[in-house]
This record gives sequence, C-alpha cells and structure tokens, in this order.
Amino acid sequence: GENVEQHPSTLSVQEGDSAVIKCTYSDSASNYFPWYKQELGKGPQLIIDIRSNVGEKKDQRIAVTLNKTAKHFSLHITETQPEDSAVYFCGAYSSASKIIFGSGTRLSIRP
Amino acid sequence: DGGITQSPKYLFRKEGQNVTLSCEQNLNHDAMYWYRQDPGQGLRLIYYSQIVNDFQKGDIAEGYSVSREKKESFPLTVTSAQKNPTAFYLCASMPGNLPYGYTFGSGTRLTVV
Repeated sequence: GENVEQHPSTLSVQEGDSAVIKCTYSDSASNYFPWYKQELGKGPQLIIDIRSNVGEKKDQRIAVTLNKTAKHFSLHITETQPEDSAVYFCGAYSSASKIIFGSGTRLSIRP
Repeated sequence: DGGITQSPKYLFRKEGQNVTLSCEQNLNHDAMYWYRQDPGQGLRLIYYSQIVNDFQKGDIAEGYSVSREKKESFPLTVTSAQKNPTAFYLCASMPGNLPYGYTFGSGTRLTVV
C-alpha cells in the first residue's frame, strides 16, 4: 500500500548548525509534498511544500528538495534556532486524495 | 479570520460512553479529515470526506463514526466500541480541486476515566 518513510526519528543539533530530515514515498503518482511542524499540544502547521514539477524550493532558512526518480524528498533547516525545536512531519499526496504522513522527527536544538 | 475550530480542547469520557468531537471550518474547503495521534506517534487517518454527504474510512475507522451534513462541519463520534480511545484527535481541511497542504485544527485531547 501507500507508504511514507521518514528518518531520523530523533535529531539533535547544535544551535546554528543545519538539520536535514529525509523521506521516501511509494506511490509514484504522488505529486505534492508538504512539511509540517508540530509544537507540543498543538496542531501541525504547514511550513513549506513542493510540487512534483519542481526540484527545490526555499523559504528563508528552510528548503525542500525532491528527487522524483528516487521517490525521495528532504527538509533542510539552516542556522537552527531554539524555536526550531519541534516534531516535523513529511507528507505525500496520494492518488486516493489524501496525504500520507511520515512517522515524524523530533528535532532538538542544543544551546 | 478563516480557520478550523475544534472543540472542546480537553474531553473526559467514562468507559462505555459515546462522545462527539466537533470540527468546524470557515475556509470553504471541500475536503475534511480526522486523524488520531498517540504520544510520540505519527498521524493515523480515521475518516475523511471530500464532499457533503459522503465520507470514506481511513486506516483505523473501527469504533468511530462521522457525518458530513454541512460543508463546514465534520463531527467525529468515538463510540464505546473503540477500546482504546485515549488520544489526541486532529481535524484538518483542504480545498478540493488541487492538492494543497491541510489546515489543521488545534486538536482535542480525549481521556477515558
């Protein structure tokens, strides 16, 4: 069935360093890939997304890359700050009109 | 301001009782979704609806029921048949024409006492 795998499950980086989270998807028909940030006790918030006709997208310190051939996409956060600490989810929009989510990455920023 | 509202924020239920979680959106979105999140876990799809008066089961629909009588509303009932209902429940919506990111509500934390 449709599946999205996300790695790593936990990630700890020094403040100011970069963080990278990787996802792979199984449905070759997927054409939209959102990334969400979830803070404790809150609903996830969309932080960046990319469509299948684009290879890379950047928004200030956040960027997403997509490799359709490998069915692989990644989130890059540069110059990390304490407020970047949260759980991050990747998603892939499936042919069944729903987003399949990865299992999440808990990102911790060390001061 | 447009958004998606879940209520209540916290809900306590006695074993054997049914309980209904509210989800309302004023974004004019066609599609609505319910997810369950357990501590330290990902998002599991319960039910979703792409148009009024129609909905589909997700991956963990057993013990839950939904209705979609109005475009703005998609309530979720947790029935007594759901054996482990304690969790964080998230409602989301999306425009129905092209794939976009979901807009999520702030969630309802359900605890069985």
